[in-house]
Amino acid sequence: AQTVTQSQPEMSVQEAETVTLSCTYDTSESDYYLFWYKQPPSRQMILVIRQEAYKQQNATENRFSVNFQKAAKSFSLKISDSQLGDAAMYFCAYRGGATNKLIFGTGTLLAVQP
Amino acid sequence: DSGVTQTPKHLITATGQRVTLRCSPRSGDLSVYWYQQSLDQGLQFLIQYYNGEERAKGNILERFSAQQFPDLHSELNLSSLELGDSALYFCASSVASGWTDTQYFGPGTRLTVL
Repeated sequence: AQTVTQSQPEMSVQEAETVTLSCTYDTSESDYYLFWYKQPPSRQMILVIRQEAYKQQNATENRFSVNFQKAAKSFSLKISDSQLGDAAMYFCAYRGGATNKLIFGTGTLLAVQP
Repeated sequence: DSGVTQTPKHLITATGQRVTLRCSPRSGDLSVYWYQQSLDQGLQFLIQYYNGEERAKGNILERFSAQQFPDLHSELNLSSLELGDSALYFCASSVASGWTDTQYFGPGTRLTVL
């Protein structure tokens, strides 16, 4: 069975600094997608970025980028120039060809200090 | 705003009762997914419907059921409610049922069972 692990329950970053959130996963599938979702205090689940496993190039969305290491089964999220609005819970998620569901990690609560 | 709507936003009820949660997918999306977010279980997939048909089942209790109607909106029915059913229930939608389709989440329904 596929699993997703986020080993950092909480992280903190100064405004305008860079922070990296870690995620590892376990799967025997070769094709899959990885996602980062953001859940602010409003509780809405917002898609931040997604990575297709067969693509070598790391995905980037404005200040958000990922470091995808397929062999190591690692998928970290880098947030550059952190803003107060980035404060939220961040969930790493996996979806592979054998299942239609998203498998989520336990989340990392990010605090942004002014 | 993801385009997925859920009603009601909040629901407070008593043990043993039955409630219905409603979800309208994004325009054009044929798949609807239901997830439960609780403190002890995290984010868990419950069930998926595609164009009116059940497509995948996750950790959904027998007391829970769902359906998708011809207009593609979906309802999640929770019966014989227990204190442990208190959670945030999310609906997500995607264009089709393939594993490559990104899921977009609604704002959730907060269920409190007293």
